Amino acid sequence: DTEVTQTPKHLVMGMTNKKSLKCEQHMGHRAMYWYKQKAKKPPELMFVYSYEKLSINESVPSRFSPECPNSSLLNLHLHALQPEDSALYLCASSQDSGNQPQHFGDGTRLSIL
Amino acid sequence: ILNVEQSPQSLHVQEGDSTNFTCSFPSSNFYALHWYRWETAKSPEALFVMTLNGDEKKKGRISATLNTKEGYSYLYIKGSQPEDSATYLCASGDYGSSNTGKLIFGQGTTLQVKP
Repeated sequence: DTEVTQTPKHLVMGMTNKKSLKCEQHMGHRAMYWYKQKAKKPPELMFVYSYEKLSINESVPSRFSPECPNSSLLNLHLHALQPEDSALYLCASSQDSGNQPQHFGDGTRLSIL
Repeated sequence: ILNVEQSPQSLHVQEGDSTNFTCSFPSSNFYALHWYRWETAKSPEALFVMTLNGDEKKKGRISATLNTKEGYSYLYIKGSQPEDSATYLCASGDYGSSNTGKLIFGQGTTLQVKP
């Protein structure tokens, strides 16, 4: 069982919809990450939150909006997505810095119609 | 090397064979090298995090080595079993991103172990 929980597991949405992806961990980790993974490609970092503050935004389009309400929760708000945004979205957490292993959720498979 | 590169892209071995694959990463400003195992329909699982040149780590039948001067890491699996079938990802972090946990992932090596 994964210690990082992502919901929903699958999401199909139209280009005009607004939806949110959720990620939760209760390991006391202070860094949380969003990755996007397309088929046969490596995970690409989108956002990093460190101690509940956004520390990295990898030039992600504004139709993706991250939120970290508290140290255990990470959301990704989606609005007006494009078909090319269809992908697996992975959440991960780590204790803090880059020499700590990251713990991944199972991901949300997103399809944009 | 500007990116993290893994080879081979895929590998098919018989049960009981030992195997190894390579991860190449930028050696300048190196901070940490991570290995993950990603089984189908599961989440990536951390295997090792290595930071020191010459580091060797072991977990059961899986071991990894690190050469930070030349920018490569090897992952070894001794006596492969069908349950070792997975994609093995390496990821590199540099000093500039050491306090953020930012990693650059390789494309992975997909291992299939035939019974």
